[in-house]
Amino acid sequence: KNEVEQSPQNLTAQEGEFITINCSYSVGISALHWLQQHPGGGIVSLFMLSSGKKKHGRLIATINIQEKHSSLHITASHPRDSAVYICAVRIKAAGNKLTFGGGTRVLVKP
Amino acid sequence: GAVVSQHPSWVICKSGTSVKIECRSLDFQATTMFWYRQFPKQSLMLMATSNEGSKATYEQGVEKDKFLINHASLTLSTLTVTSAHPEDSSFYICSARDLTDRGFYGYTFGSGTRLTVV
Repeated sequence: KNEVEQSPQNLTAQEGEFITINCSYSVGISALHWLQQHPGGGIVSLFMLSSGKKKHGRLIATINIQEKHSSLHITASHPRDSAVYICAVRIKAAGNKLTFGGGTRVLVKP
Repeated sequence: GAVVSQHPSWVICKSGTSVKIECRSLDFQATTMFWYRQFPKQSLMLMATSNEGSKATYEQGVEKDKFLINHASLTLSTLTVTSAHPEDSSFYICSARDLTDRGFYGYTFGSGTRLTVV
């Protein structure tokens, strides 16, 4: 079993819909990151969380340390949000290395 | 914000030749750089961790003589794929730890290099 599990693997939404991506992990972590990878391959760091909730524009990320679960929400989705969203954790016992989930491929249709 | 510049963005080379990929941190000092490989529709796979001024730490199964990593300065790390073969064709991307404004270490990624070996 992977240490970081994301769901769903694929998601298609209509423009304007609310999108939720989930991430569960099974180990102790020092931080969780949400990343966005566009079709060209470049990766952008969206959030780094160690507790609570963060918001940036239409993106909201939450984390529940006790339940070892995080969610990424996209409000009022837009076709430009189409990308792969990756959850990554920094495992306490693994130093500075990130461990990645399998990614969620999001397609927002106009 | 922190920026990591990665070059080239794509390269096609002949089998048996070597290819060098560069990652530069433009506005911060990257004491640690991570090198990843990604196959189509798969997640990132860590190849090695490089620390400025010391030897890189390679992940299990990654050939250190094939994937040479040099991190000679605080702003530059390079990955050289030696004697490339078609199976080395992949997307390579680097990432650097950076100290955010709020004192937390985040990770900044390069734009990636798509290597095709023919």
